[in-house]
Amino acid sequence: AQSVTQLGSHVSVSEGALVLLRCNYSSSVPPYLFWYVQYPNQGLQLLLKYTSAATLVKGINDFEAEFKKSETSFHLTKPSAHMSDAAEYFCAVWGFGNEKLTFGTGTRLTIIP
Amino acid sequence: DTGVSQDPRHKITKRGQNVTFRCDPISEHNRLYWYRQTLGQGPEFLTYFQNEAQLEKSRLLSDRFSAERPKGSFSTLEIQRTEQGDSAMYLCAGGGPGEQYFGPGTRLTVT
Repeated sequence: AQSVTQLGSHVSVSEGALVLLRCNYSSSVPPYLFWYVQYPNQGLQLLLKYTSAATLVKGINDFEAEFKKSETSFHLTKPSAHMSDAAEYFCAVWGFGNEKLTFGTGTRLTIIP
Repeated sequence: DTGVSQDPRHKITKRGQNVTFRCDPISEHNRLYWYRQTLGQGPEFLTYFQNEAQLEKSRLLSDRFSAERPKGSFSTLEIQRTEQGDSAMYLCAGGGPGEQYFGPGTRLTVT
């Protein structure tokens, strides 16, 4: 079984400030972990993924995430928020043998001008 | 743009009617997934295909739902006798093991 918990359904940051979105996972097998972004009335766009190589993963638009096995976490960060980052962000886990993505409930990111 | 397309993008139907959605992944995607997303929630798995074989179905997929991928390329998802609770975004994703690329989704509204 696998699951994802995203802490904070809503996060607000000022433009130019650090973005930190939290994700904790549970998996009975070594996981693959993903962050997706969703803009209103659109599908999900892959930001980055962890597939058991480097623990610090860099994605598009200066986002990055660090896999910490001891903390079962995969938090998403961006050094400087931009107005265009306002969207819904989903963390997801994949476990081989359970051949599908299991998503968290999402975090809505608001950028304050 | 992931190259995965879905049609229609929006569908409004009356309760009790049947609806069918289509998903076209790119040719390299031997796996095709369907997810459902309701307001304020993350996507939930419905079913997936490896080529033309339907390998897994969620318990969310009631008897009113059926999915096909007849030639291992495009896929259709049909909902019979729609209910208001079926109102959601239906997302299709193509890819391989551990990797999925999503289409823009079909938003279904049942009135």
